[in-house]
Amino acid sequence: AQTVTQSQPEMSVQEAETVTLSCTYDTSESDYYLFWYKQPPSRQMILVIRQEAYKQQNATENRFSVNFQKAAKSFSLKISDSQLGDAAMYFCAYRSARSGTASKLTFGTGTRLQVTL
Amino acid sequence: ETGVTQTPRHLVMGMTNKKSLKCEQHLGHNAMYWYKQSAKKPLELMFVYNFKEQTENNSVPSRFSPECPNSSHLFLHLHTLQPEDSALYLCASSLTGTSGLYEQYFGPGTRLTVT
Repeated sequence: AQTVTQSQPEMSVQEAETVTLSCTYDTSESDYYLFWYKQPPSRQMILVIRQEAYKQQNATENRFSVNFQKAAKSFSLKISDSQLGDAAMYFCAYRSARSGTASKLTFGTGTRLQVTL
Repeated sequence: ETGVTQTPRHLVMGMTNKKSLKCEQHLGHNAMYWYKQSAKKPLELMFVYNFKEQTENNSVPSRFSPECPNSSHLFLHLHTLQPEDSALYLCASSLTGTSGLYEQYFGPGTRLTVT
């Protein structure tokens, strides 16, 4: 079974600075997808960024980028130029690419990010 | 908003009550999911429906009973719950197929408190 580990329960960053959230996962599969979700205090989970394991290039979405290290099974999220609106719980998630798995996601325990002035 | 709505947003119920949670998606997806989110634990997948057919039940107690009348609506019927069932219940939807990202879109959740 796959597992996802987020070793940082809480992180803090100053506005306009850069922060990196860690995620590691365990799988025996070679083809899969990885996601970072954001859950603000309003609770609606929002997809931030996604990465296909077969792609070597790291995904980027505006101020958000990932460092995907397949051999190390590591998938960290970098937030540049942090803004107050980035304060939220961040969840790393894994999904197998095998057919028939109906998009089943395995989540980590989350990292709470605080953004200070 | 992401196109997935959930009602009610908050629910307080006694252990002998019967209540239902409702989820609706307006995204044209064919799969819907129920998750349970408890403090300091990973989101737990409870049920998966694909084209209205239940494809996964993660050993969820029978006091939780899902219903999916069509691809746009998903219910979670609750009866004789326990205090440890208090949590945030999240609904999600996605497309599915033999390959592809098929990212999930989440609703805002129902905060359930069992007294």
